[in-house]
Amino acid sequence: GQNIDQPTEMTATEGAIVQINCTYQTSGFNGLFWYQQHAGEAPTFLSYNVLDGLEEKGRFSSFLSRSKGYSYLLLKELQMKDSASYLCAVMDSNYQLIWGAGTKLIIKP
Amino acid sequence: GAVVSQHPSRVICKSGTSVKIECRSLDFQATTMFWYRQFPKKSLMLMATSNEGSKATYEQGVEKDKFLINHASLTLSTLTVTSAHPEDSSFYICSARDRRDTGELFFGEGSRLTVL
Repeated sequence: GQNIDQPTEMTATEGAIVQINCTYQTSGFNGLFWYQQHAGEAPTFLSYNVLDGLEEKGRFSSFLSRSKGYSYLLLKELQMKDSASYLCAVMDSNYQLIWGAGTKLIIKP
Repeated sequence: GAVVSQHPSRVICKSGTSVKIECRSLDFQATTMFWYRQFPKKSLMLMATSNEGSKATYEQGVEKDKFLINHASLTLSTLTVTSAHPEDSSFYICSARDRRDTGELFFGEGSRLTVL
């Protein structure tokens, strides 16, 4: 079956760095997405990786290793507003998105 | 970036009534739109894939007659929850893929349905 795994919850300190991991097993691969979702709101697109390597966008970076079925989202210089759920999703061979359950990130002062 | 507008953002209705939720791509044409349902503290559950000009493809376990999806144009898809019941109360979100298929999905703001 198809499966996306990511930690349920993580806690980090304001100003620090946190890495949220995502491993996947899907039928085919057409890219991996990271989304941020604040409670009660729709997800916001953060990144899209389809080739191996690191993509950097300001304080957020996303890494992909297709051979390992692994990705991570790296958040630097954490701010209180970064407290949210972070969703990992993989697009399979049918161009359907398979979603992880999300990682709730708690930022403490 | 591309914008997807979803309306209404909140709706409260009585049990047995029908509710229509609209999803519009404002500055691009979307050949494919997706409808999701999100339960509290859960990930998004894909309900159906809507393709312009054809019937929607529903995921297993989603009732076609209860959740009517229409994708009449390249910029509009609608989800109608028919004969709503309290268990249908949820957060419904649509997303759209640009017909140029850059890979990115653009999400609507979501609609919170409460059925009394």
